[in-house]
Amino acid sequence: QLALTQSPSASASLGASVKLTCIVSSGHTRYTIAWHQQKSEKGPRFLMKVNSDGSHSKGDGVPYRFSGSSSGAERYLTISSLQSEDEADYYCQTSETGNVVFGGGTRLTVL
Amino acid sequence: EVQLVQSGAEVKKPGESLKISCQGSGYSFNTHWIGWVRQVPGKGLEWMGIIYPDDSDTRYNPSFQGQVSISVDTSSRTTYLQWTSLKTSDTAMYYCARRNDYNWNDQVVDSWGQGTQVIVSS
Repeated sequence: QLALTQSPSASASLGASVKLTCIVSSGHTRYTIAWHQQKSEKGPRFLMKVNSDGSHSKGDGVPYRFSGSSSGAERYLTISSLQSEDEADYYCQTSETGNVVFGGGTRLTVL
Repeated sequence: EVQLVQSGAEVKKPGESLKISCQGSGYSFNTHWIGWVRQVPGKGLEWMGIIYPDDSDTRYNPSFQGQVSISVDTSSRTTYLQWTSLKTSDTAMYYCARRNDYNWNDQVVDSWGQGTQVIVSS
């Protein structure tokens, strides 16, 4: 069954880097995922899609310091030079025809 | 520019019916799946269902099957989410989202509507 697993929380200091992880279920490790950012009291925003080969494609206006990568069943979102405005919930998402799946989300706190 | 514009907030009583909408523009509407996503306050994103406008093929998350219905009007480029009898537990923010299908294993949501707040209270 297609599923995505994320850690519930992460934290990092202002100006540092952080790497968030999304794990794709067994048997689906070639699936592309998307990362979405949701700030407090706002709607989700598409950040990028990350392919199984590690290539990624960002949405319009997404800052350079956001990047994606992949290793096996894991898909990563790396944010470098953390800013206070990066504090948000981050969701990964994937799909197969009639089914759309979201991870549980990771709440990122910028210290 | 891809845009998904949703209808405004609604306040309803339990047992009432409701239909909210999402109008797409800036892309080939008929050939992209559009889905609906629920977010209960303080919780994560839940996929409810998805529709392919060109032939109205509709798929539901089993958790929402029979609770809501999704439809589309291609002439107005609008997708709908409908309830026949609302419950207080339907209180949530609802988002529409476009899915872009690049390949069988490369199907991602890449655009979101702004959200429609639905409050169901007696």
